[in-house]
Amino acid sequence: AQTIHQWPVAEIKAVGSPLSLGCTIKGKSSPNLYWYWQATGGTLQQLFYSITVGQVESVVQLNLSASRPKDDQFILSTEKLLLSHSGFYLCAWSSRGTGQLYFGEGSKLTVL
Amino acid sequence: GQQVQQSPASLVLQEGENAELQCNFSTSLNSMQWFYQRPGGSLVSLFYNPSGTKHSGRLTSTTVIKERRSSLHISSSQTTDSGTYLCALGYDTNAYKVIFGKGTHLHVLP
Repeated sequence: AQTIHQWPVAEIKAVGSPLSLGCTIKGKSSPNLYWYWQATGGTLQQLFYSITVGQVESVVQLNLSASRPKDDQFILSTEKLLLSHSGFYLCAWSSRGTGQLYFGEGSKLTVL
Repeated sequence: GQQVQQSPASLVLQEGENAELQCNFSTSLNSMQWFYQRPGGSLVSLFYNPSGTKHSGRLTSTTVIKERRSSLHISSSQTTDSGTYLCALGYDTNAYKVIFGKGTHLHVLP
């Protein structure tokens, strides 16, 4: 069975500090990978997707970047956090040829 | 741009009543998925239903592509059904790009 793990579960960071959120998928080879973000009370927005190692497509620009260093790993990062980066970040995967998404438990980010 | 409209925005029911949640979209569809969002933010997938009708217990999802709508029917609602329901539409050729609706907030009273 496939599992998806996100880390950290929660972070409290200062404005201007760096950030790295991670996501690992086990039991699935060559998944499509996705990052989503939701501000408190807001709509889930897709940030990035990746269909293969080393290739990441941006959907919404939020002064964030993403990388896929390994087939099973997706990283979301920024060098300088903004207050507007606060919210809930979700990683997801899908199989090739289908749009059915499977989500991780999410990471809550508070920027002060 | 691509748009997904969920209605109603909020709904209050007495336990035992039925609920009909709608998702209307203005773009082509390559995937449609319904989720329940827990209070903490994590998502529970209810249906992956790009076309036709699917059933799961008290839940039924129907997607009619030519009418650009998908619905989620909850029969005999229970207090534990309370929460936020989201629809998600994959709109590009391979459904790599997915847009979420704003959600329907359901509150079921005992």
